[in-house]
Amino acid sequence: GAVVSQHPSWVICKSGTSVKIECRSLDFQATTMFWYRQFPKQSLMLMATSNEGSKATYEQGVEKDKFLINHASLTLSTLTVTSAHPEDSSFYICSAEGQANGQFFGPGTRLTVL
Amino acid sequence: AQSVTQPDIHITVSEGASLELRCNYSYGATPYLFWYVQSPGQGLQLLLKYFSGDTLVQGIKGFEAEFKRSQSSFNLRKPSVHWSDAAEYFCAVGAPIGDSSYKLIFGSGTRLLVRP
Repeated sequence: GAVVSQHPSWVICKSGTSVKIECRSLDFQATTMFWYRQFPKQSLMLMATSNEGSKATYEQGVEKDKFLINHASLTLSTLTVTSAHPEDSSFYICSAEGQANGQFFGPGTRLTVL
Repeated sequence: AQSVTQPDIHITVSEGASLELRCNYSYGATPYLFWYVQSPGQGLQLLLKYFSGDTLVQGIKGFEAEFKRSQSSFNLRKPSVHWSDAAEYFCAVGAPIGDSSYKLIFGSGTRLLVRP
């Protein structure tokens, strides 16, 4: 149990376009979802926390207009990278938290912006 | 501010040898502490966690960790390493948000290489 999926697993896009990444909890309801960014050979940095039906809480230094997060249901959260640029290229990871059973991580999405 | 330090970027051990991965944290209150493992193509997997109680925590895959408040440490150990343990290991501290949730602050990770 407690499986989290991400789609797509990798994406290449042109500079200036927007990219949407989905995070789904497959077998449990996620009251809270988290979005992380991981640079090569570096740690995971929390970008934002989202609760179903409410606005996301962004970490300091994360542009909320750049990284749009929507948590429309208890099993789905989306991260949209708007007007992507090469510096947005990274590995994006989500995690989902159910009730009192901790966070479970998705496999990540590799974004490359040309 | 909360932070996690993993001083070893890489560690190489021989298969069958013992392993200790170091983790030091900075946190104002009693911390929630975690160790995760990341393998290529897979999501982070929780090895073990410490919230309270016994300071020696047993996890999956034969791992254990010991919380030492006096040293602000939560080192991960395994008595005998298997080749399949080669991966990236992350220590994290959980900062509570709301009633039952917490956000994770990760260390920079330690890459474990296993010699045959």
